[in-house]
Amino acid sequence: SQTIHQWPATLVQPVGSPLSLECTVEGTSNPNLYWYRQAAGRGLQLLFYSVGIGQISSEVPQNLSASRPQDRQFILSSKKLLLSDSGFYLCAWRAGGTQGNSPLHFGNGTRLTVT
Amino acid sequence: AQSVTQPDIHITVSEGASLELRCNYSYGATPYLFWYVQSPGQGLQLLLKYFSGDTLVQGIKGFEAEFKRSQSSFNLRKPSVHWSDAAEYFCAVGATGFQKLVFGTGTRLLVSP
Repeated sequence: SQTIHQWPATLVQPVGSPLSLECTVEGTSNPNLYWYRQAAGRGLQLLFYSVGIGQISSEVPQNLSASRPQDRQFILSSKKLLLSDSGFYLCAWRAGGTQGNSPLHFGNGTRLTVT
Repeated sequence: AQSVTQPDIHITVSEGASLELRCNYSYGATPYLFWYVQSPGQGLQLLLKYFSGDTLVQGIKGFEAEFKRSQSSFNLRKPSVHWSDAAEYFCAVGATGFQKLVFGTGTRLLVSP
């Protein structure tokens, strides 16, 4: 069966420090991968998605970047964190291809607090 | 482009009472529809999905949803709510050829004793 791992679970970082959040998927090949963010009391905001190694689509221009160095690995990064980067970050995967009927499967999230 | 509206931000239901959470979508063709649940501090868990066929779909945890094309709705229901159902619920729509799901803003369910 497929599993998704996301770490760390919580993170407290000072303003201006770098960020690296990692997500890996097991049990499937060539998945689509996604990074979402939830600000306190708000809905899901899609940040990045990837349909293959090295392919990154950015949804919202901001202080973050994403990379996909391996088929089942998705990394969210920042060179210098801002206070506004605080939030709950969720990684998700779905089966590759263009069939819209594949559901998203989410990791357990990372709570990031920028101080 | 697709869009999803969840008109209720918060809903409070007494334990044991029935529940209906509303979801309206906008899409020109047949959509693929999903309901997710999120407990505090957790990721989203898929409750159920509709692709085609029977318009009443059963999901996990005793939930069901009904697709009504004429009303562009996909409402989530449960006959008897348990305290453990308190969470946030998200409706989402997908479509063939689109890599992304579009999510509603969520409905927070509170369960009173």
